[in-house]
Amino acid sequence: AQKVTQAQTEISVVEKEDVTLDCVYETRDTTYYLFWYKQPPSGELVFLIRRNSFDEQNEISGRYSWNFQKSTSSFNFTITASQVVDSAVYFCALAEYGNKLVFGAGTILRVKS
Amino acid sequence: DAGVIQSPRHEVTEMGQEVTLRCKPISGHNSLFWYRQTMMRGLELLIYFNNNVPIDDSGMPEDRFSAKMPNASFSTLKIQPSEPRDSAVYFCASSALYGLHAYEQYFGPGTRLTVT
Repeated sequence: AQKVTQAQTEISVVEKEDVTLDCVYETRDTTYYLFWYKQPPSGELVFLIRRNSFDEQNEISGRYSWNFQKSTSSFNFTITASQVVDSAVYFCALAEYGNKLVFGAGTILRVKS
Repeated sequence: DAGVIQSPRHEVTEMGQEVTLRCKPISGHNSLFWYRQTMMRGLELLIYFNNNVPIDDSGMPEDRFSAKMPNASFSTLKIQPSEPRDSAVYFCASSALYGLHAYEQYFGPGTRLTVT
């Protein structure tokens, strides 16, 4: 069965610090997809990234970067030089068949000025 | 392009009443998902459709919940009769099955349901 674990319930950092959000997943499939979503205080869920199991290249998008390691079943998310606007709940998710997402419990990130 | 549209944004109703939540997916998307979010249970997938056909409704809590997708641009989630434990935020999401952005689910703003 699929499972996503985000062990960090809540993280607090000071603005401009780098922060890494951990995500560990379990799946028996060789083909799967991993996702990160952001849920700011306003409540909407914002898609950040999708990665498929055949692509282990790390990705960088501005201050955001993602590290996918199949050997440790992890898909970690790093925010460089955090800003107050990064304060949100971040969800990692897994889909074995592309469609059906299983979400982790989420990590609350608080960035203080 | 408009994103996923949900209505109403807020719904307050009394126990026993029927509640209907509505969703318009992103044009061109052929998968639609209904989720429920609560503090206790987090984000749960209730049901999803591919090409207007229900594929997996194993997350629907009980027979009081039903969902339909009569066409590619509209879906409803109905609760009848509603109970206080149904209070939650209900999200609709849509995605494409094919193409460069396949499986990327885009969420609507959600409907906050309160059952008193």
